[in-house]
Amino acid sequence: DSGVTQTPKHLITATGQRVTLRCSPRSGDLSVYWYQQSLDQGLQFLIQYYNGEERAKGNILERFSAQQFPDLHSELNLSSLELGDSALYFCASSVWTGATDTQYFGPGTRLTVL
Amino acid sequence: GQQLNQSPQSMFIQEGEDVSMNCTSSSIFNTWLWYKQEPGEGPVLLIALYKAGELTSNGRLTAQFGITRKDSFLNISASIPSDVGIYFCAGHPSGNTGKLIFGQGTTLQVKP
Repeated sequence: DSGVTQTPKHLITATGQRVTLRCSPRSGDLSVYWYQQSLDQGLQFLIQYYNGEERAKGNILERFSAQQFPDLHSELNLSSLELGDSALYFCASSVWTGATDTQYFGPGTRLTVL
Repeated sequence: GQQLNQSPQSMFIQEGEDVSMNCTSSSIFNTWLWYKQEPGEGPVLLIALYKAGELTSNGRLTAQFGITRKDSFLNISASIPSDVGIYFCAGHPSGNTGKLIFGQGTTLQVKP
């Protein structure tokens, strides 16, 4: 158990809908990261938040947004869902010590768009 | 963009054999991390490497941060059935963000 929790475990929805994925970081970790894992793209970095502020952005679609709240939990919002958004979405957290940071991953949310 | 080339893509070995996999990059990385992922689970951190040339062990696992900062390898000695899974290398490219770049993964199957 990494100490990172994610809910829900599974999510099934229809195209065009909007969903929210939730992540609670390990106790003491200030930084949260979101990754997408699909069969053809592998694990792709989406976005990083540190202590409530956006720190880095990857290949995150404009239909996706995230935020980190004062209690440090984070939410990833996915809107106008398409079939291709079906994937595993992972949250990771770390203390954030700069370039030598070590990230611990949650169990993931499996999103299926029908 | 930056990417990591991980090889081999898959391995099917006999229990007790040693395993070696590696990752290479065309650009410098500040950190190399090795993760294992099992079906339906998130990646689990195995070994973290922070300095060029660093050699670190975790039980039967040994990993090294290449001296050029562009490669890393992971060795598993005396493999056992529970070593089955997908192994990923990952690294922080130069620059001060938490963005991790992942290799494509090595799928390991162990025959008892």
